[in-house]
Amino acid sequence: AAGVIQSPRHLIKEKRETATLKCYPIPRHDTVYWYQQGPGQDPQFLISFYEKMQSDKGSIPDRFSAQQFSDYHSELNMSSLELGDSALYFCASSDQGASGNTIYFGEGSWLTVV
Amino acid sequence: AQSVSQHNHHVILSEAASLELGCNYSYGGTVNLFWYVQYPGQHLQLLLKYFSGDPLVKGIKGFEAEFIKSKFSFNLRKPSVQWSDTAEYFCAVNAGYNQGGKLIFGQGTELSVKP
Repeated sequence: AAGVIQSPRHLIKEKRETATLKCYPIPRHDTVYWYQQGPGQDPQFLISFYEKMQSDKGSIPDRFSAQQFSDYHSELNMSSLELGDSALYFCASSDQGASGNTIYFGEGSWLTVV
Repeated sequence: AQSVSQHNHHVILSEAASLELGCNYSYGGTVNLFWYVQYPGQHLQLLLKYFSGDPLVKGIKGFEAEFIKSKFSFNLRKPSVQWSDTAEYFCAVNAGYNQGGKLIFGQGTELSVKP
């Protein structure tokens, strides 16, 4: 079965640079979520989109922005990168119309800021 | 605000030992409950979920969990662990559509199984 696809899988950037992560949700899923997981930490919710509109916002820094496009893929843009942004970034998707709204995660994008 | 608490940060067991990982949540409304597993360097994989009905749910790889509403708990169990179960385990709550449907995670429990 198709899963959540994220790219790139690994990314190395320097401080103050910009990075863009992409996420392709499971087909026919209407909601996309972004999570950040620092080393040894639990995943922290950043932002979500339902039917291409922002539906919820968590602990996302102002330097970060995200959007969901007409084909339902989503991009997380991170600017003025800081060392503390080094983390594993997960995208997840779900079908909120389905019973229970199970959320499925992609394999993550490892961002290292040097 | 909703929160999830996992009692143990690190559990060390020998192979064939029984496992129980505690999870408590705080939310007064209807919740969906999940356990995810994260093997070293990998993504989160769904172990099992509870939406409604039988409070004892069975998941993949021999795991099961019991929802006890009165205790706001959703503990994960496995009768006999294997070395390959070494991973981080996250309990999570989905508080419903009016919360954006997002998952709130516990702090995670690292399980180390000695061969």
